[in-house]
Amino acid sequence: GNSVTQMEGPVTLSEEAFLTINCTYTATGYPSLFWYVQYPGEGLQLLLKATKADDKGSNKGFEATYRKETTSFHLEKGSVQVSDSAVYFCALSESRLTGGGNKLTFGTGTQLKVEL
Amino acid sequence: GAVVSQHPSRVICKSGTSVKIECRSLDFQATTMFWYRQFPKKSLMLMATSNEGSKATYEQGVEKDKFLINHASLTLSTLTVTSAHPEDSSFYICSASSGTTPADTQYFGPGTRLTVL
Repeated sequence: GNSVTQMEGPVTLSEEAFLTINCTYTATGYPSLFWYVQYPGEGLQLLLKATKADDKGSNKGFEATYRKETTSFHLEKGSVQVSDSAVYFCALSESRLTGGGNKLTFGTGTQLKVEL
Repeated sequence: GAVVSQHPSRVICKSGTSVKIECRSLDFQATTMFWYRQFPKKSLMLMATSNEGSKATYEQGVEKDKFLINHASLTLSTLTVTSAHPEDSSFYICSASSGTTPADTQYFGPGTRLTVL
């Protein structure tokens, strides 16, 4: 079955530091890949997505590239801010070609804490 | 755009009672709505998928008679937790999508914190 593996947290960084949160996946078909962010006390918000190999999703300074050869979708940001403190979830939704529909499979989430 | 609301945001109930949670897509028509359960410091677990006007599809291990889902319109889905027990206490989150393909984004509600005493 499908699965998503994220790096364990929490990740604690100083403001303006470089961020990488690793995400790898296992899927039988051609998934779309997503990063969602959950700020304290709020619901999940879509951060970015990529729907095919080599696509780069980007938003609010965050980027992730869909790497089919390494089955990865690592999240990066060049300079984090305190306001980026949140839990980040990597997720996949499998291609309809394999009958997966649009069910999301989530990783366990990575908590990011950014300090001044 | 793409706002999803949930009501209530928090609910406390006594063991044995039923609780209804509403999920609404405010500015788009949701072909499909999803219900998730999130445990503390854990990922989201999909409970069921519902399409407007048809029966929900439940994930393995989810009791459909306990977690009743209704998707009566393209903007409203409800989850009713029947005969709630303390182990049902959790954070319930809905999401909605206007499409049916994997590339279509799911938009999430803010969640409902259920506490069963």
